Amino acid sequence: GAGVSQTPSNKVTEKGKYVELRCDPISGHTALYWYRQSLGQGPEFLIYFQGTGAADDSGLPNDRFFAVRPEGSVSTLKIQRTERGDSAVYLCASSSSGRREETQYFGPGTRLLVL
Amino acid sequence: AQKITQTQPGMFVQEKEAVTLDCTYDTSDPSYGLFWYKQPSSGEMIFLIYQGSYDQQNATEGRYSLNFQKARKSANLVISASQLGDSAMYFCAMREVQGAQKLVFGQGTRLTINP
Repeated sequence: GAGVSQTPSNKVTEKGKYVELRCDPISGHTALYWYRQSLGQGPEFLIYFQGTGAADDSGLPNDRFFAVRPEGSVSTLKIQRTERGDSAVYLCASSSSGRREETQYFGPGTRLLVL
Repeated sequence: AQKITQTQPGMFVQEKEAVTLDCTYDTSDPSYGLFWYKQPSSGEMIFLIYQGSYDQQNATEGRYSLNFQKARKSANLVISASQLGDSAMYFCAMREVQGAQKLVFGQGTRLTINP
């Protein structure tokens, strides 16, 4: 079946602009995760959804970052007033039901560059 | 706080040789899961293998095996009969059963297989 998909694959924007990154999880997966990966680093957790609700948003760096999942499937990560330090690869993952031993399956990521 | 340490920034191995990638972890949770992911240059995180903290046997998946030494808090990945396609970044990650759903990743090891 289809894996996790993310759009766009690349996004270039200017400092101060607003961006939206989209994630389409594996069909039927109720748990969805966002991570951010800076160059040369491992991914860092941003937010976790169980269904439509954000069960853990402790990784969001500040209030410029926000994510939604209104129908419990597709999720959008929104970044306001982008800064150069936001440049990174944003990875989305999903798992079947969110049980802790479950594998998280990742999408290809969105490479964000803020000029 | 949980922490994952991968001490090998880069590894170079001849094709067909076995290779061990090191991972140590730190957690106060008695129940946790350990994961290894492969990240080729395309950027997607590919799940390789999982080890639960209470699993009696070391996990194996094809050419991948996990050398799990609980008392030493290490979970090294062993790749047997390496292939050119194994060249990639490899990340060790942990998730505690109690507390957050997030995966915590190490810094990664870049593996290069030489022909």
